[in-house]
Amino acid sequence: NAGVTQTPKFRILKIGQSMTLQCTQDMNHNYMYWYRQDPGMGLKLIYYSVGAGITDKGEVPNGYNVSRSTTEDFPLRLELAAPSQTSVYFCASSLLMTGERDIQYFGAGTRLSVL
Amino acid sequence: DAKTTQPPSMDCAEGRAANLPCNHSTISGNEYVYWYRQIHSQGPQYIIHGLKNNETNEMASLIITEDRKSSTLILPHATLRDTAVYYCIAVAGGGADGLTFGKGTHLIIQP
Repeated sequence: NAGVTQTPKFRILKIGQSMTLQCTQDMNHNYMYWYRQDPGMGLKLIYYSVGAGITDKGEVPNGYNVSRSTTEDFPLRLELAAPSQTSVYFCASSLLMTGERDIQYFGAGTRLSVL
Repeated sequence: DAKTTQPPSMDCAEGRAANLPCNHSTISGNEYVYWYRQIHSQGPQYIIHGLKNNETNEMASLIITEDRKSSTLILPHATLRDTAVYYCIAVAGGGADGLTFGKGTHLIIQP
């Protein structure tokens, strides 16, 4: 199994440009998440999804959009890139079990610079 | 989710046991203690979790105090590949709204 796959691995954007960070998982997990990590800091939740067609905001959703049309894919869209969005972005998935939060599996990350 | 407190950094000699402490004095009865680690900017990796009892798996052991206000992650025979940032997270079961990562403990294994 590939697990959680993120593309691209690296990207440089100019201010105001748009892009989509791709995330796909092959574990048939119902829950998926997008986090960002700034240098020297922990991860912060941007958006999450509990299943196809259902998404919700996390701690830092401003400037981002998501969609979940299939179980496997959870793309993150940046519409008007700003320098504050320079960060490393991680996608994760989990298979939630009743009564106990399940383990989250993370992708390798996308390193984004906005100049 | 309960706030957790970890030392910012620790050293450990290769081959020795690495003991990483975590304080979670405000943890509630339905919150689990999870440990993840992140090796050099890779995606975080799950290590172990527990509610009340001590737990052991192939990677590590988790010791939770009887009052559940603190815990210790033990890597029994640390190797250089265990150098990473280790995150202790207290989170309620049954939820799906992501994990809250603090700054963690940067564990450096010395040769």
